[in-house]
Amino acid sequence: GQQLNQSPQSMFIQEGEDVSMNCTSSSIFNTWLWYKQDPGEGPVLLIALYKAGELTSNGRLTAQFGITRKDSFLNISASIPSDVGIYFCAGQPQKLVFGQGTRLTINP
Amino acid sequence: DTAVSQTPKYLVTQMGNDKSIKCEQNLGHDTMYWYKQDSKKFLKIMFSYNNKELIINETVPNRFSPKSPDKAHLNLHINSLELGDSAVYFCASSHTGTGSFRTQYFGPGTRLLVL
Repeated sequence: GQQLNQSPQSMFIQEGEDVSMNCTSSSIFNTWLWYKQDPGEGPVLLIALYKAGELTSNGRLTAQFGITRKDSFLNISASIPSDVGIYFCAGQPQKLVFGQGTRLTINP
Repeated sequence: DTAVSQTPKYLVTQMGNDKSIKCEQNLGHDTMYWYKQDSKKFLKIMFSYNNKELIINETVPNRFSPKSPDKAHLNLHINSLELGDSAVYFCASSHTGTGSFRTQYFGPGTRLLVL
């Protein structure tokens, strides 16, 4: 079946640093979504991308839908403590497929 | 206002028991989903219902039976619970269609622990 490779699996950074994570797929997707999951909560949608090449921002977050339609990245600028959590990419031609998640830890 | 809600939030039960998890959405969506998140945080779809009809069933054991009384509700009943069923179960919902209409919104999860 379709698989998403998300990297890195974990990140340990200092507050104020920029963060970058990405996802690659073995097949073409029509939609890329980025979610964040806080401990004890469900995934919350951060950014949704619907067209190849699309670059979308949401505050300090920026995500892009790769031109090949097989990849996407998420950048977080000037990280703050509340950015801590697990970030998931997800893509769908049909059903939604999730990456393995990137666990972000921030040292104050 | 809660968009996608699940009950209960925590469920601790003995092996062999039967239990149900309820999900409700007030977003006016016509498609609802159940996902399972394992201990490594991997999220995998289990079922999808559109207008009360099953459209995705991902090789889930027959012990799991979803039921959708109406478009706003999708419940999950689990028979003869096993230790391996321990996980967090998430409900989600979306519109049908393409693009932004299919973006899924998740509930807060139900943490199931089978002893």
